[in-house]
Amino acid sequence: EDQVTQSPEALRLQEGESSSLNCSYTVSGLRGLFWYRQDPGKGPEFLFTLYSAGEEKEKERLKATLTKKESFLHITAPKPEDSATYLCAVQAYTSGSRLTFGEGTQLTVNP
Amino acid sequence: GAGVSQSPSNKVTEKGKDVELRCDPISGHTALYWYRQSLGQGLEFLIYFQGNSAPDKSGLPSDRFSAERTGGSVSTLTIQRTQQEDSAVYLCASSFQAGGYNEQFFGPGTRLTVL
Repeated sequence: EDQVTQSPEALRLQEGESSSLNCSYTVSGLRGLFWYRQDPGKGPEFLFTLYSAGEEKEKERLKATLTKKESFLHITAPKPEDSATYLCAVQAYTSGSRLTFGEGTQLTVNP
Repeated sequence: GAGVSQSPSNKVTEKGKDVELRCDPISGHTALYWYRQSLGQGLEFLIYFQGNSAPDKSGLPSDRFSAERTGGSVSTLTIQRTQQEDSAVYLCASSFQAGGYNEQFFGPGTRLTVL
């Protein structure tokens, strides 16, 4: 069974204070690992897809990295508008097209 | 272009009633997915449709849940004889092609409250 664990559950940062969110996964044959951002009352917004260990992707203040067991979402010099819940999901070759999600990390960036 | 749309945005119903939730995918997307997000829990896969293939219903929690997709576009998720544990946000997503390397784009969700 595919499993995704995200840590920490919640993270409070001061504006400009860089940090990382962790996503550990267990899957039989990783097809892709996805990061989404979710604001309160809204659906998840796609951020990144990573396919193989060693891959990195960047978007503004966010950088996602992937190893064979985990992924990190690095947030550099965050701003209050980066406050949201960040979701990690995996797609396995053996599970069709479904995504298996972690429970998310709720990030708050204080001005 | 327009994103995934869902209706209604909120639905309050009484225990035992049937409800229908609607999803309009992004135009041209062939795959459509339903997920459920309960308070304090991650998103849970329910069902997905790809073109004219038989849907993958393996995530439906009970036979009270069903879904259909008409004309390869709009989808309706039906919950019969609703229970309080069905209260959750129901999210629909679509992608250009199932499998492969295509990200899923989500709608805003329907918040279902069963009294």
